[in-house]
Amino acid sequence: AQSVAQPEDQVNVAEGNPLTVKCTYSVSGNPYLFWYVQYPNRGLQFLLKYITGDNLVKGSYGFEAEFNKSQTSFHLKKPSALVSDSALYFCAVRALTSGNTPLVFGKGTRLSVIA
Amino acid sequence: DAGITQSPRHKVTETGTPVTLRCHQTENHRYMYWYRQDPGHGLRLIHYSYGVKDTDKGEVSDGYSVSRSKTEDFLLTLESATSSQTSVYFCAISQGGGTEAFFGQGTRLTVV
Repeated sequence: AQSVAQPEDQVNVAEGNPLTVKCTYSVSGNPYLFWYVQYPNRGLQFLLKYITGDNLVKGSYGFEAEFNKSQTSFHLKKPSALVSDSALYFCAVRALTSGNTPLVFGKGTRLSVIA
Repeated sequence: DAGITQSPRHKVTETGTPVTLRCHQTENHRYMYWYRQDPGHGLRLIHYSYGVKDTDKGEVSDGYSVSRSKTEDFLLTLESATSSQTSVYFCAISQGGGTEAFFGQGTRLTVV
């Protein structure tokens, strides 16, 4: 079975500082990995994904994530945080197989950017 | 925004009553998912579908059933609602593989 762990329930960072939101995964075989963001009272919005190729992927709003196969991690990063980045962030994984596999999410990490 | 609509958006129901939530898409995506979101638990998969009449259970499927008789509609039914099913329910669609999923706006269900 596939699973995602987001070890931090909350991450606090000062505006202008770099931010990292951690994600590790477990899956049989190779993964597809995703990051989503949720603003209050809204659905989830796609940020970026890793399928194959370059381990560093860039996404919306200046976010990027680094895939590390040996550590089974896919941490979300941004060089300079904005107050408007404050939201709930979810990591998700889907197994790369020929079968029908679902998209599984982590518990989420609440990011708070302080002015 | 992707063409995905959830209905109703809000519902209050009594314990023991049946409840059906509807997810409708206009994107012709193969996969449809139902998740519930609860504080401290994140998004948990209830059921998903990979085609018409093809469904499978997720992590928290007990007490829920689903049906997909058409590509565009995925129904989630609580046969006999309980207070533990009070939650926000999200539907999502995707083409599968490495494609991203698109989410509906959610349904807030309260069981009293």
